[in-house]
Amino acid sequence: AQTVTQSQPEMSVQEAETVTLSCTYDTSESDYYLFWYKQPPSRQMILVIRQEAYKQQNATENRFSVNFQKAAKSFSLKISDSQLGDAAMYFCAYRRASISNFGNEKLTFGTGTRLTIIP
Amino acid sequence: DAGVTQSPTHLIKTRGQQVTLRCSPKSGHDTVSWYQQALGQGPQFIFQYYEEEERQRGNFPDRFSGHQFPNYSSELNVNALLLGDSALYLCASRAIRGKSGNTIYFGEGSWLTVV
Repeated sequence: AQTVTQSQPEMSVQEAETVTLSCTYDTSESDYYLFWYKQPPSRQMILVIRQEAYKQQNATENRFSVNFQKAAKSFSLKISDSQLGDAAMYFCAYRRASISNFGNEKLTFGTGTRLTIIP
Repeated sequence: DAGVTQSPTHLIKTRGQQVTLRCSPKSGHDTVSWYQQALGQGPQFIFQYYEEEERQRGNFPDRFSGHQFPNYSSELNVNALLLGDSALYLCASRAIRGKSGNTIYFGEGSWLTVV
């Protein structure tokens, strides 16, 4: 079974600084997707960034980037120029990929990292 | 373009009762999944519905059941409620048929409190 581990329950960063959130995962699959979701107090899960395992290039979305190390099964999120609106719970998630559209819908989440932004 | 919408937002039920939660997927999406998120935890996958059938199921008892309608909306039913069923229930949708099929979108959830 796939597992996702986030070892940092809480992190804090000064506004405008850079912070990195860690995530490791365990899988025997070779093709899969990895995600970072943000959950603000409204509780809606918002997709931050996505990485396909077959792509060697690390994904980037504006101030958000990942460091994907497939061999080490590590998937960290870097937030640059942190803003007050970035304060939220951040969840790392895994989803297997397959040719069929069935049997690969499940997202496996980590336990989350609460990010606090210090003004 | 409406996103994933869920109802009700909050509800309180008594142990032993039954509850139905509802979800309308994002426009253009055809598969719906349900997740349970206990306080302080990450979401746990309950099941997925596609073409009105349950396609994949997580480690949840048969008390948890669902349905998908021809318009792709979905219901989650929980029977014989336990105190431990108190959680945020999240609905997620995706377009299996379509170019942007790999992105899963979530609703804001339904808070269930069992007393």
